[in-house]
Amino acid sequence: AQTVTQSQPEMSVQEAETVTLSCTYDTSENNYYLFWYKQPPSRQMILVIRQEAYKQQNATENRFSVNFQKAAKSFSLKISDSQLGDTAMYFCAYSVAAGNKLTFGGGTRVLVKP
Amino acid sequence: DSGVTQTPKHLITATGQRVTLRCSPRSGDLSVYWYQQSLDQGLQFLIQYYNGEERAKGNILERFSAQQFPDLHSELNLSSLELGDSALYFCASSLNVVQDKETQYFGPGTRLLVL
Repeated sequence: AQTVTQSQPEMSVQEAETVTLSCTYDTSENNYYLFWYKQPPSRQMILVIRQEAYKQQNATENRFSVNFQKAAKSFSLKISDSQLGDTAMYFCAYSVAAGNKLTFGGGTRVLVKP
Repeated sequence: DSGVTQTPKHLITATGQRVTLRCSPRSGDLSVYWYQQSLDQGLQFLIQYYNGEERAKGNILERFSAQQFPDLHSELNLSSLELGDSALYFCASSLNVVQDKETQYFGPGTRLLVL
């Protein structure tokens, strides 16, 4: 069974600084999808970024970028120029294919300090 | 706004009761997923429907059931409720007929409190 592990329960960062969140996963599949979702205090689940395993290029979305290391089964999220609105829980998620369930990690709470 | 709607936003009920949560997917999405988020279990997949048919089942209790209707909206029925069923229930949708097939977009969730 696929598992997703986020080893950092909580992280804090100063506004405008950079923070990197770790995620590792276990799978025997060669093709799959990885996601980072953000859950602010409103509890809404918001897609931050996604990565297709067959793509070697790391995905970026504005201030958010990933470091995808397929061999190491690692998928970290870097938040650059952190803003107060980035304060949230961040969940790493895995899906074996389009249309399949998401398996989530336990989440990392990020606190951006002014 | 993800385009996925869920009602009600909040639900308070008593043990032993039955409730129905409703979800409308994004326009064009054929698949609906239900997830439960609780403090002790984290985010867990419950069940998935695709174009009206059950497609996959996760850790869904026998007391829980779901269906997807011809207009693609879905309902999650929770019966014989227990204190431990208190959680945030999310609906997500994906498999758009036009684009972005693999990404699941989440609704705002229904917060269930069983007293």
